[in-house]
Amino acid sequence: AQSVSQHNHHVILSEAASLELGCNYSYGGTVNLFWYVQYPGQHLQLLLKYFSGDPLVKGIKGFEAEFIKSKFSFNLRKPSVQWSDTAEYFCAVNAFSGGYNKLIFGAGTRLAVHP
Amino acid sequence: DVKVTQSSRYLVKRTGEKVFLECVQDMDHENMFWYRQDPGLGLRLIYFSYDVKMKEKGDIPEGYSVSREKKERFSLILESASTNQTSMYLCASSPSRGPRGYGYTFGSGTRLTVV
Repeated sequence: AQSVSQHNHHVILSEAASLELGCNYSYGGTVNLFWYVQYPGQHLQLLLKYFSGDPLVKGIKGFEAEFIKSKFSFNLRKPSVQWSDTAEYFCAVNAFSGGYNKLIFGAGTRLAVHP
Repeated sequence: DVKVTQSSRYLVKRTGEKVFLECVQDMDHENMFWYRQDPGLGLRLIYFSYDVKMKEKGDIPEGYSVSREKKERFSLILESASTNQTSMYLCASSPSRGPRGYGYTFGSGTRLTVV
């Protein structure tokens, strides 16, 4: 069955620290991968996505993610976090089967950045 | 710049009531989805639809039904609300039915409390 695992449920960092959030997926088909962010009180927004090509993808607000096929991973990184990055982050994989697409989400990681 | 609109931000309903959650998108997307979001569980797919009058069960359809009479509108129905359906409900839409899966646009969510 398709699944997405996010290793850290809660992460606490100080401003300017580096960030890496882990994501592993289980899916046998062609992989489309996503990171979404949900800021407090706001709706889910797309941070970045991977379809094909360069496994290092860059998203908004200085975030990037690296697709490592051999490790079934798509970890999110940011070299220097800001207080405004406080949010919940969700990794997702697109599963295509039976002629239908559906996004399967991980449990999410809550990031708190302290000034 | 509103794209996916959920009719209510907060709802409080009594056990046993029939509850309707409405979602409208103005992007002419074919695909629409209903998820529920619970702490530590991430987003779980309830139902989705790829065409008018068409519906497919997601991962947790029990206790729910849906209706899609028009392309832009996708309704989630709780036939007889129960306290374990207290949750945040998220509607999403996407344009593609192909294997690529371009990612979803989410609404702001409806926080439903069943008492």
